[in-house]
Amino acid sequence: GAVVSQHPSWVICKSGTSVKIECRSLDFQATTMFWYRQFPKQSLMLMATSNEGSKATYEQGVEKDKFLINHASLTLSTLTVTSAHPEDSSFYICSASGRASYEQYFGPGTRLTVT
Amino acid sequence: LAKTTQPISMDSYEGQEVNITCSHNNIATNDYITWYQQFPSQGPRFIIQGYKTKVTNEVASLFIPADRKSSTLSLPRVSLSDTAVYYCLVGISSGSARQLTFGSGTQLTVLP
Repeated sequence: GAVVSQHPSWVICKSGTSVKIECRSLDFQATTMFWYRQFPKQSLMLMATSNEGSKATYEQGVEKDKFLINHASLTLSTLTVTSAHPEDSSFYICSASGRASYEQYFGPGTRLTVT
Repeated sequence: LAKTTQPISMDSYEGQEVNITCSHNNIATNDYITWYQQFPSQGPRFIIQGYKTKVTNEVASLFIPADRKSSTLSLPRVSLSDTAVYYCLVGISSGSARQLTFGSGTQLTVLP
């Protein structure tokens, strides 16, 4: 099946700093990429949807100036958490889908801890 | 906003069949229903996807009634390694918008 990678798998940063998370589709062209956040023992919450070459569409309640999403190519999307605070600590997961598929292929997730 | 609901948890014994139901009253007309498995600190793993009636693959079956307001994931003969959280994912109509929504998740525990 299709493979999606994320980097880093975990990161610890200080409050007030910014962190970038990369999501790559390794063996297919991802026309759409999704970013999710998951708190402990909770379901995944969709943060934003991005199509290659266009601005991301953010879900209600997600600050677009705080969570910057770039989808510059068909294989790479990045999520930057700006001015991170401890409440941003979470598990961030990306997924990708191709042109002819309704299926989303998920990355392994990135554990962010803000101290 | 209508939710996508699942039982919080289920217990089963090895070798039994397990059925997990997801309720999605406001599913968008053209949306598929997808089920995922998730282990701790990992991304969700695709299990099965369907639009209506019944779909079967090598690991599971998916039953979808005609009104598509619910779906049931069926896992035949579960093993200990099937202990995980299972999620349904659907597009939910909210006014004129469509929102991708994960279910609340069902923790399946398989006992020896």
